[in-house]
Amino acid sequence: GDSVTQMEGPVTLSEEAFLTINCTYTATGYPSLFWYVQYPGEGLQLLLKATKADDKGSNKGFEATYRKETTSFHLEKGSVQVSDSAVYFCALSPNQAGTALIFGKGTTLSVSS
Amino acid sequence: SAVISQKPSRDICQRGTSLTIQCQVDSQVTMMFWYRQQPGQSLTLIATANQGSEATYESGFVIDKFPISRPNLTFSTLTVSNLSPEDSSIYLCSGTGVPYEQYFGPGTRLTVT
Repeated sequence: GDSVTQMEGPVTLSEEAFLTINCTYTATGYPSLFWYVQYPGEGLQLLLKATKADDKGSNKGFEATYRKETTSFHLEKGSVQVSDSAVYFCALSPNQAGTALIFGKGTTLSVSS
Repeated sequence: SAVISQKPSRDICQRGTSLTIQCQVDSQVTMMFWYRQQPGQSLTLIATANQGSEATYESGFVIDKFPISRPNLTFSTLTVSNLSPEDSSIYLCSGTGVPYEQYFGPGTRLTVT
């Protein structure tokens, strides 16, 4: 079945460092891909998405490109802030009606000043 | 996008009792889902809430333990019955808006003593 694999955390960075969180997927069809963020004590917020190969999703300085050839959707940010400290989830939608998202295990990011 | 609210935001319950969680969406959504997020873990899908019919449960989750209702396109409830400490988790509802994009509620943090 379809699945999502994320790099293990936690990731600990200093403010203004470059961030990469790796995400790869396995899917039989043509999925849509998402990154969600969960701040401490809160629910999940959609950070960015890409619906087809070579699409780049971006939001709040974060970017991720849908790479079909490497089945990847890595999250990047050029300069992280303390306020980016959160758990980041990569997710896949099989693009079938009535089907829920498939989530990776989540990666905890901790940014210190 | 859809805005999803949940009540209660948190609760502490005694073993053997039940808790009903309400999920309200500010616009009609096609599908609604209920997830469990155990401490430090990713999201596990409990069931798909179908409007006007019985929910569809994932493997390992049963209707007697997690009865779900969805009387209309904007509202659903999840009851966690016969509570035990292992049920202590965050419970999240979500709805599907823009094709296959899911929006999440803030979650209900349940502690069972």
